[in-house]
Amino acid sequence: GESVGLHLPTLSVQEGDNSIINCAYSNSASDYFIWYKQESGKGPQFIIDIRSNMDKRQGQRVTVLLNKTVKHLSLQIAATQPGDSAVYFCAEKSGGYQKVTFGTGTKLQVIP
Amino acid sequence: EAQVTQNPRYLITVTGKKLTVTCSQNMNHEYMSWYRQDPGLGLRQIYYSMNVEVTDKGDVPEGYKVSRKEKRNFPLILESPSPNQTSLYFCASSDLSGGNEKLFFGSGTQLSVL
Repeated sequence: GESVGLHLPTLSVQEGDNSIINCAYSNSASDYFIWYKQESGKGPQFIIDIRSNMDKRQGQRVTVLLNKTVKHLSLQIAATQPGDSAVYFCAEKSGGYQKVTFGTGTKLQVIP
Repeated sequence: EAQVTQNPRYLITVTGKKLTVTCSQNMNHEYMSWYRQDPGLGLRQIYYSMNVEVTDKGDVPEGYKVSRKEKRNFPLILESPSPNQTSLYFCASSDLSGGNEKLFFGSGTQLSVL
């Protein structure tokens, strides 16, 4: 929704460049991590996930990197396009599925 | 089309007037959940349900109720809404099978309590 953009860190990227969105997670016991994309006026949409026994996973134009040592997660978007403009959330899960914690989000602005 | 449907999309109400936000999914998912989204706070879980007749509190359950009488429906009930419940609400579902734990979200309900 429209209010999501307030108080969010913003990353501005030129169209065609690569984007890197970072996320620090809080729980060293988290075993599953997900990135979601939220466009204005829409609900979050799954992009890519990674389990704690991996440190890298690639999708179509997106790569997620996991560094468990420093509890850091990043989302890399190759050849960023205007349609990539959105708010991106990381989420972590520990134990049972009921406990999924979302980050506060990063707004990606693509400059044409 | 596989989807999670929330209604209404926008709702303005007054303090104390009971309301229900409906959520329905057509993917036969066991897991359903409600979140509220506020500026600077991200998505916070209100209630979740692992299956029919099984519900439990999330991180911010105060002032809300839910029910899960059928697998596809998971309504969110505000018995006596207050202004601090003004927020953007999302329903989500997941099938939890085979390690597939990604959430499918509805389009959201923007609630204003005056």
